[in-house]
Amino acid sequence: GNSVTQMEGPVTLSEEAFLTINCTYTATGYPSLFWYVQYPGEGLQLLLKATKADDKGSNKGFEATYRKETTSFHLEKGSVQVSDSAVYFCALSALSSSGGSNYKLTFGKGTLLTVNP
Amino acid sequence: DAGVIQSPRHEVTEMGQEVTLRCKPISGHNSLFWYRQTMMRGLELLIYFNNNVPIDDSGMPEDRFSAKMPNASFSTLKIQPSEPRDSAVYFCASSSQQGVEKLFFGSGTQLSVL
Repeated sequence: GNSVTQMEGPVTLSEEAFLTINCTYTATGYPSLFWYVQYPGEGLQLLLKATKADDKGSNKGFEATYRKETTSFHLEKGSVQVSDSAVYFCALSALSSSGGSNYKLTFGKGTLLTVNP
Repeated sequence: DAGVIQSPRHEVTEMGQEVTLRCKPISGHNSLFWYRQTMMRGLELLIYFNNNVPIDDSGMPEDRFSAKMPNASFSTLKIQPSEPRDSAVYFCASSSQQGVEKLFFGSGTQLSVL
């Protein structure tokens, strides 16, 4: 079955530090990969996505590259801000073997990021 | 657009009581999802509707849980009777297409069953 493993948190950084949150996956079929972000008291928001191998998703200074050879989709940002403090979820969706719709997202457990001024 | 609207934001109830969670998806979206978030199990898909029809309810934990979507602008998730292990954050999400390429989540309902 499909699964997502992301690094355990919490991660605490100082403002302007470099961020990496590791994510690896196991999937049947051809998964699309996502990073979602959840700010305190809010629902999840799509941060970025990549739909095929070697694609790079990017948004708000964050980026992640779909690495099929290592089954990874690590999230990076060169210089974090206090406002980036949130929980980050790696997720995948994969077409079923019968070619059905990829409506199911499989999420990792989430990584809490705290950025201090 | 107001986004996906869930109510209530917080619900505290006693074991054995009926609980109803409500969701209004984004106008024009034809896919609706109910997720449950707990520390132990993370985010789990409970049920998926497409064009108001339940497509996949395999994630509904047991018969105490039921979900309906009487029209394109409203859905409910009901737990009867509720149990302490149902305590979690319940999210509703919607999308404008059958896949999850652009999924929009509500702010969630924090349910506590005492």
